[in-house]
Amino acid sequence: DGGITQSPKYLFRKEGQNVTLSCEQNLNHDAMYWYRQDPGQGLRLIYYSQIVNDFQKGDIAEGYSVSREKKESFPLTVTSAQKNPTAFYLCASNLRTQYTGELFFGEGSRLTVL
Amino acid sequence: RKEVEQDPGPFNVPEGATVAFNCTYSNSASQSFFWYRQDCRKEPKLLMSVYSSGNEDGRFTAQLNRASQYISLLIRDSKLSDSATYLCVVVSSNTGKLIFGQGTTLQVKP
Repeated sequence: DGGITQSPKYLFRKEGQNVTLSCEQNLNHDAMYWYRQDPGQGLRLIYYSQIVNDFQKGDIAEGYSVSREKKESFPLTVTSAQKNPTAFYLCASNLRTQYTGELFFGEGSRLTVL
Repeated sequence: RKEVEQDPGPFNVPEGATVAFNCTYSNSASQSFFWYRQDCRKEPKLLMSVYSSGNEDGRFTAQLNRASQYISLLIRDSKLSDSATYLCVVVSSNTGKLIFGQGTTLQVKP
């Protein structure tokens, strides 16, 4: 079955450590996105990529980095520069740009900083 | 003012009730609108698109009011399985980005 796979589902990190969240899709989608969700809040865009080897900052990119070396993969690194990294991270994809409105989400990665 | 605003609720309703949520948006040039459903601790999933003429899918009806800049979602004959958070999504006409509301939580009680 086609879909988006995020790993790990749960992650604990000590302050000062970088962590990388994996996102893989086999939907042959061009565009991929990373969102962050905090309790009681909507999703906020971190980074997005519309094509391999290219990506753009979203609204809250500071303290995060991404790469898009393959169409299927869009890993997110949460660096030690991110001041408040505890959150629910969601990866998504769609065929073209965000104009289509339908995003397909992975199951999410829940990061807790100890 | 937030670009997309929703009443967070929670809305507590009995089974069989009709419930409606509104979502206001600030950019009058916004062109596309959607409702997503998010179950507790799960990922969001597209519920329905919102068309200018309004649209219905079973017990769910979505409406757009451009003059007042809001969209609505009406759920008839509520089921226990409708309990979830409903996210309003507006596509920015300037950037093409999806802007998510904070969500409205619905709890349907037996």
